[in-house]
Amino acid sequence: EDKVVQSPLSLVVHEGDTVTLNCSYEVTNFRSLLWYKQEKKAPTFLFMLTSSGIEKKSGRLSSILDKKELFSILNITATQTGDSAVYLCAVVSGGSNYKLTFGKGTLLTVNP
Amino acid sequence: KAGVTQTPRYLIKTRGQQVTLSCSPISGHRSVSWYQQTPGQGLQFLFEYFSETQRNKGNFPGRFSGRQFSNSRSEMNVSTLELGDSALYLCASSSGKQTDTQYFGPGTRLTVL
Repeated sequence: EDKVVQSPLSLVVHEGDTVTLNCSYEVTNFRSLLWYKQEKKAPTFLFMLTSSGIEKKSGRLSSILDKKELFSILNITATQTGDSAVYLCAVVSGGSNYKLTFGKGTLLTVNP
Repeated sequence: KAGVTQTPRYLIKTRGQQVTLSCSPISGHRSVSWYQQTPGQGLQFLFEYFSETQRNKGNFPGRFSGRQFSNSRSEMNVSTLELGDSALYLCASSSGKQTDTQYFGPGTRLTVL
């Protein structure tokens, strides 16, 4: 059975700190890994990663994938209170009948 | 482009009843996936419809079913509701290609009493 594990489950930091969120996976026929941010509503897309070692960046957020060790990290630098959310990692796997398996998320709280 | 819309946003039902949820994807998207989100289990995949056909299915009982219409709008039905079906039901639309991003709707919050 495909599995996606995120750590830590929750994290509390102060504004300005840098955080690293982890996502490891065990799936059959890996296709891509996605990161989403979920506040009190639907998840919003952050990154899609398909190749190892290539960093994706968007402002203060960046992410990288290691397909050999089967994990990804999401970094957030100079955190702000608006970064407080649940960060979800999902893996797309399979062939023509592909599926998306989500981790349980990391709850990030950024205090002023 | 308008985003993914879901109706209704909130629902309260009692055990044994059935419920139908609706999802309208982003214009041009042909794939609609449904997910159940609960505090204990996180986001779990229910099924995916592409061009009116169920293409993928998660590990949920047969009480959970869905369909997709020719305009790509999708409905999800849950029969014989149980207390444990209380959850946020999210739908996501995409073009249908594996490499394409899924965009989520705001969800329907279902409470079963």
